[in-house]
Order: sequence, then structure tokens, then C-alpha cells
Amino acid sequence: KNEVEQSPQNLTAQEGEFITINCSYSVGISALHWLQQHPGGGIVSLFMLSSGKKKHGRLIATINIQEKHSSLHITASHPRDSAVYICAVRATYGGSQGNLIFGKGTKLSVKP
Amino acid sequence: NAGVTQTPKFRVLKTGQSMTLLCAQDMNHEYMYWYRQDPGMGLRLIHYSVGEGTTAKGEVPDGYNVSRLKKQNFLLGLESAAPSQTSVYFCASSLGTGAIRHFGDGTRLSIL
Repeated sequence: KNEVEQSPQNLTAQEGEFITINCSYSVGISALHWLQQHPGGGIVSLFMLSSGKKKHGRLIATINIQEKHSSLHITASHPRDSAVYICAVRATYGGSQGNLIFGKGTKLSVKP
Repeated sequence: NAGVTQTPKFRVLKTGQSMTLLCAQDMNHEYMYWYRQDPGMGLRLIHYSVGEGTTAKGEVPDGYNVSRLKKQNFLLGLESAAPSQTSVYFCASSLGTGAIRHFGDGTRLSIL
């Protein structure tokens, strides 16, 4: 069983829609990261959070530590939001390297 | 400010050939990482470094070697390339283990 599971795997939305991507994990964590991988391949860090909620522009990330679940929301989606969104957790085991465990990603396509 | 720069961006090798992937960062980060990304899998850590002159094995280190002779550079070597090493390789850096990762644009490597 994967330690980090994302859903859905693929998501198609119409421009303007509210989008939710989910991430569930099965290990104890000290932080959770959301990353965006552009169609050209580059990866950008969006959020790092360990509790509560963070907002940046139209993006909102929430985490529920008790339920081991995080969501990434995109409000008023736009075609430029089309990308793969990756969830990664920093597990509390694993020594000092702080290795991240990555989900397989959610591919989002926003149609105009 | 270039961030994290990877060279080359693309490379095709024959089985048994050797090559070195270069990662350079200009953010004075202590921590650097090499990941591989394969279809249907999350990013996996190959090797990492917590500072100049130090390296350590990650999740999938076999067949790779690394060196961190200068703080800003982290080299990934393949001594005898195998088709199983066909992948997209990402370098990343961070201020610390708990900090966000800054990624390069990736190197697409094909081994025939």
C-alpha cells in the first residue's frame, strides 16, 4: 500500500470551476508539501504546511493531522492551472535526512 | 538568480556508457538531492547531501554515485548505464531538511 495516496488521478474541469485535489497518508508526518509540475516538466513548490490552512492567490491548502488528510483547492480555475499536482509528506521516521515521500500526482486539465 | 540549474536537459546513452549529470544552485543551500521520476510512480530519492563534502544514500541508490566537492554543485554519475535507468532526473536543494525544496527543470535520460 502506498504511504501517500492522491485522488483523483486525473481531473478535467471547465474554466472557472472550483477544484479540489485530495491527499491521504498513512504515516506520522512533520510536514506536508504541495508541488506543481508544469507540462514542460519543471516542479515548483506551492505550499508546506503542518497544520491548519494556507492561502496563496487562488490556491488554498488545508491539512487535518488527526484524519491524515490534506486538500488543495483552486478557486476560479484557469487553463494555466493545468499541471500535475503532487503531494509529498515528510515522515517523522527516517532519520535526519527528512526524506519526502511523494504521491503519484493528480493531473489537472482545465478547459477554456 | 537562476535557482537550481541542471545540465544536460536531454541525453541518450547506450547501455554500458557512463555520464555525469550536473546540478548547480545559487541560493547557498546546504541540502541537495537527486530524484528520479518514472511513469506511474512518485519521485524517489537517489542520493542526497547535507553539506559540502558529504553524501548519503536515498531510497534507490544502486547504479549511481554522487559527489559534492563544492557547496553549490551536486553531481550524479552513472558508471555503466542500464536501460532501467531511463528516467527523468530532478535535482533539488533546500535550506534544511524541513524546508521547501527548490527543483531544477529535470534531465530526461534515455538508455538504449
